[in-house]
Amino acid sequence: EIVMTQSPATLSMSPGERATLSCRASQSVSSNLAWYQQKPGQAPRLLIYGASTRATGIPARFSGSGSGTEFTLTISSLQSEDFAVYYCQQYNNWPVTFGQGTKVEIK
Amino acid sequence: EVHLVESGGGLVQPGGSLRLSCAASGFTFSSYAMSWVRQAPGKGLEWVSAISDSGDSTYFADSVKGRFTISRDNSKNTLYLQINSLRAEDTAVYYCARSGRGYWFDYWGQGTLVTVSS
Repeated sequence: EIVMTQSPATLSMSPGERATLSCRASQSVSSNLAWYQQKPGQAPRLLIYGASTRATGIPARFSGSGSGTEFTLTISSLQSEDFAVYYCQQYNNWPVTFGQGTKVEIK
Repeated sequence: EVHLVESGGGLVQPGGSLRLSCAASGFTFSSYAMSWVRQAPGKGLEWVSAISDSGDSTYFADSVKGRFTISRDNSKNTLYLQINSLRAEDTAVYYCARSGRGYWFDYWGQGTLVTVSS
């Protein structure tokens, strides 16, 4: 099973700042990586798939990069609605696996 | 508009069984693979099971293999998860999710809570 490790566990940021979230895979997943956002009491929402392709309706301030084992989700300028938990997920191998999440909180 | 609505959750004793359902609308259900993903209270996401668009192929996490069965009825646009031999650690919100061309999840239901307790 591929282990996905996200860092940091918590990111304390102010609105307008740039946020950088990391995700590392225990072995190569090529570009078969997705990012999700989850707010309290809500289902996750797909942000990025294929490591860098924004899902339908996702604002351009969200961008993904990386391949192999190292991936990054960048939020260029945090808006109030972006404070949430973010998960990465690999779908290169069965079982698909998620990272443990990074919480982006208001500083 | 894509809509996924889960049902069937509830309180069940250890060793018991439940069948979860997910009613799909707003897309051609028979053209998409589907999955179940769960989230224990206060914890992260855990993929549980997936089924191909035709239903011919199924996949399970090791933690549920042999206890959970996934199925679908494309004529009813409905996904199912039969969960048997329930354990306390199966307590979670269970989400159904539509898969993209790869097994990422582009649409999610609102979830149904399964609580395993005596």
